[in-house]
Amino acid sequence: GESVGLHLPTLSVQEGDNSIINCAYSNSASDYFIWYKQESGKGPQFIIDIRSNMDKRQGQRVTVLLNKTVKHLSLQIAATQPGDSAVYFCAENIGNAGKSTFGDGTTLTVKP
Amino acid sequence: SQTIHQWPATLVQPVGSPLSLECTVEGTSNPNLYWYRQAAGRGLQLLFYSVGIGQISSEVPQNLSASRPQDRQFILSSKKLLLSDSGFYLCAWSVLQGHSPLHFGNGTRLTVT
Repeated sequence: GESVGLHLPTLSVQEGDNSIINCAYSNSASDYFIWYKQESGKGPQFIIDIRSNMDKRQGQRVTVLLNKTVKHLSLQIAATQPGDSAVYFCAENIGNAGKSTFGDGTTLTVKP
Repeated sequence: SQTIHQWPATLVQPVGSPLSLECTVEGTSNPNLYWYRQAAGRGLQLLFYSVGIGQISSEVPQNLSASRPQDRQFILSSKKLLLSDSGFYLCAWSVLQGHSPLHFGNGTRLTVT
């Protein structure tokens, strides 16, 4: 069955550096991908999304890259700040049902 | 703007007791509504989703049920809680049509003792 997984469970970066969080998915039918940020004790917060007809999408300090050939998704955070410390989840959708399949998350720690 | 409310924030219940968690959404009409559960240090598992009043789909067999008595109200229930029902329960909404992200509430931390 389909699954969404993250390559590394934890990532530690220095403040000001760029961060890259990776995600692998297995279902080639997935056509919509989303990154969420979850701070301790809170619900996940939407960061950025991308549809399968795109390879790259940029937001404010964040970029999502999609490689459909190898079923890989990444989230790049520029000039990482202490407030970026959180757990990051990728999620995939198939069709318009809006039911997301989540990975287990990567914990990002930003060192001052 | 749209907001989503979940309550209570934390709950401690004995095994065998009933459960009712409520979620309401403001500022949007006809949303898709979802209940997810998150185990400690893990991702989210979809439990139920609803595309309209009285329309509930269950994703996994379990001890829980969901209801949608009003357009923007979603309730998660159990008649008798099990220890395995402990977890972090999250309600979410999305727009009805098209590719759109989920918008989550701040969750309910349920501990069954």
